[in-house]
Amino acid sequence: AQRVTQPEKLLSVFKGAPVELKCNYSYSGSPELFWYVQYSRQRLQLLLRHISRESIKGFTADLNKGETSFHLKKPFAQEEDSAMYYCALRNGGATNKLIFGTGTLLAVQP
Amino acid sequence: SQTIHQWPATLVQPVGSPLSLECTVEGTSNPNLYWYRQAAGRGLQLLFYSVGIGQISSEVPQNLSASRPQDRQFILSSKKLLLSDSGFYLCAWSIGGYEQYFGPGTRLTVT
Repeated sequence: AQRVTQPEKLLSVFKGAPVELKCNYSYSGSPELFWYVQYSRQRLQLLLRHISRESIKGFTADLNKGETSFHLKKPFAQEEDSAMYYCALRNGGATNKLIFGTGTLLAVQP
Repeated sequence: SQTIHQWPATLVQPVGSPLSLECTVEGTSNPNLYWYRQAAGRGLQLLFYSVGIGQISSEVPQNLSASRPQDRQFILSSKKLLLSDSGFYLCAWSIGGYEQYFGPGTRLTVT
């Protein structure tokens, strides 16, 4: 079954500390993975996608097929990074369905 | 530019009452449209998606239904609300590629 697992509901770190938001997936084909973010009082929006191999707002995520993981990382957390983060798996095909994890709330303390 | 609207923003309805949430997209044609529910501790759950007018696919059995009467209009309905229908409902659209664009959401409380 296709599934996305985010084991942490809440991750609290201090400003300047490294951040790693965990995401594991289960998918029989070649996965396409994304991280979406929802800042307070803002809409859910795409943060980054694995095929782009880009760094957005200092965040990176590497697809590890061996460990079926797509963890989101940032070396030095900022207070403005505080938000809800969702890992998502594209279900392929023309429908472009996304399977989301349960989300992790990142709280960066001053 | 493309925009997506949802209304109402918040709604409080009694158990057993009907529901109609509306989502409209501007600035694009023939988008894929999606309804999600965001429940506490359960993340985002895809409820329905549509690839064209009158084409609705349901992802989970439930008390809700969806319709797409126009190309850029997506409606979520229920004939009789249950307490378990409470949640935050998000509409989203996509074109061709993989990024989905989300609306502001509707907070539904069933009392």
